[in-house]
Amino acid sequence: DAGVIQSPRHEVTEMGQEVTLRCKPISGHDYLFWYRQTMMRGLELLIYFNNNVPIDDSGMPEDRFSAKMPNASFSTLKIQPSEPRDSAVYFCASSPPTGTGNIQYFGAGTRLSVL
Amino acid sequence: GNSVTQMEGPVTLSEEAFLTINCTYTATGYPSLFWYVQYPGEGLQLLLKATKADDKGSNKGFEATYRKETTSFHLEKGSVQVSDSAVYFCALKVDYKLSFGAGTTVTVRA
Repeated sequence: DAGVIQSPRHEVTEMGQEVTLRCKPISGHDYLFWYRQTMMRGLELLIYFNNNVPIDDSGMPEDRFSAKMPNASFSTLKIQPSEPRDSAVYFCASSPPTGTGNIQYFGAGTRLSVL
Repeated sequence: GNSVTQMEGPVTLSEEAFLTINCTYTATGYPSLFWYVQYPGEGLQLLLKATKADDKGSNKGFEATYRKETTSFHLEKGSVQVSDSAVYFCALKVDYKLSFGAGTTVTVRA
């Protein structure tokens, strides 16, 4: 398996623009997680899905952030409008069904810079 | 709430030195414990895990023991290599949510 695939790897945009980050989880995994990594706050869980349904979005910083999972093989994290303080590395992770260790497998991340 | 506190870095070692990174946790319920490693420009990779008290996780020469009495999960390696240079994260999992420590940057010099 190719692992969790995220795109783009790098994104540079200007303040106020819409940004969409994409994630393809490992096939057969039914949990999907979005994290944000910054120097100040470390790794933070933003939201996670189970069977394409959002379960916990308490980590989403504000209404400018939204996430969707239209099917088992694709998820997006959208920021609209983007702000400089959103600059971070965003990771997607997926996890197999309950009872198989629930280990989370991470993608390589998207480095977002908002100018 | 759930939280993880790990030793602040950066840590700089010579090749073949002994490495210890301390990690303690606070959790409600019975967490699983993990060490993840992040190499430059990459995502996090699971290094080892332990799911219950007194379990020892091990991988690539690294070890950590789940100590419930001291709420700790310290990472150790007896002889580090240059290729072990990375950022190491201690984490706990309750239900399906991972809580990470701040990360410890380790640099191994030849």
